[in-house]
Amino acid sequence: AQSVTQLDSQVPVFEEAPVELRCNYSSSVSVYLFWYVQYPNQGLQLLLKYLSGSTLVKGINGFEAEFNKSQTSFHLRKPSVHISDTAEYFCAFLNTDKLIFGTGTRLQVFP
Amino acid sequence: NAGVMQNPRHLVRRRGQEARLRCSPMKGHSHVYWYRQLPEEGLKFMVYLQKENIIDESGMPKERFSAEFPKEGPSILRIQQVVRGDSAAYFCASSLASGSHEQYFGPGTRLTVT
Repeated sequence: AQSVTQLDSQVPVFEEAPVELRCNYSSSVSVYLFWYVQYPNQGLQLLLKYLSGSTLVKGINGFEAEFNKSQTSFHLRKPSVHISDTAEYFCAFLNTDKLIFGTGTRLQVFP
Repeated sequence: NAGVMQNPRHLVRRRGQEARLRCSPMKGHSHVYWYRQLPEEGLKFMVYLQKENIIDESGMPKERFSAEFPKEGPSILRIQQVVRGDSAAYFCASSLASGSHEQYFGPGTRLTVT
């Protein structure tokens, strides 16, 4: 079955520290991968996407992710986080026309 | 260019009542998707519609739930005889065309069943 696993439900980190949010996927077909961010009581905003080409993808707000086919991973990274990055982050892949989401990782940035 | 609009943003219903959630896609988008987010969980796909057609309803519960996207007007997700387990955030997304790799999400409707 096709699925997305986000290994960490919560990631606490201090401001200006680097962060990595992990995502692994299971799919037998070509994958299109996404990271979305959800701020409290809001909808989802696209951070970045991988469709093809370069495996290192840069997104908004200083985030980037690397597609690793051999490890079936698409981890999200930021070299220096801000308080305003506190939010829920969802990894997803596109299965035909529907998005399959992971259960989310809550990033909590402390001053 | 307005984004995806959903209303109401918050909806409270008593058990047994009906809930109607509305979604207006982005201008020019003719594909609409509904997702449900239960507390402390990720989003789960419910249904994919184009104008006047249901394309994929594999995520819809078999009873009480229905969706439509008429030729004119917003897409409607309808839940009949709501139960407490229907309490969730319901998100709508739209895309420009089939095979489009980006779906744009609305702010969601938070349904509370008392």
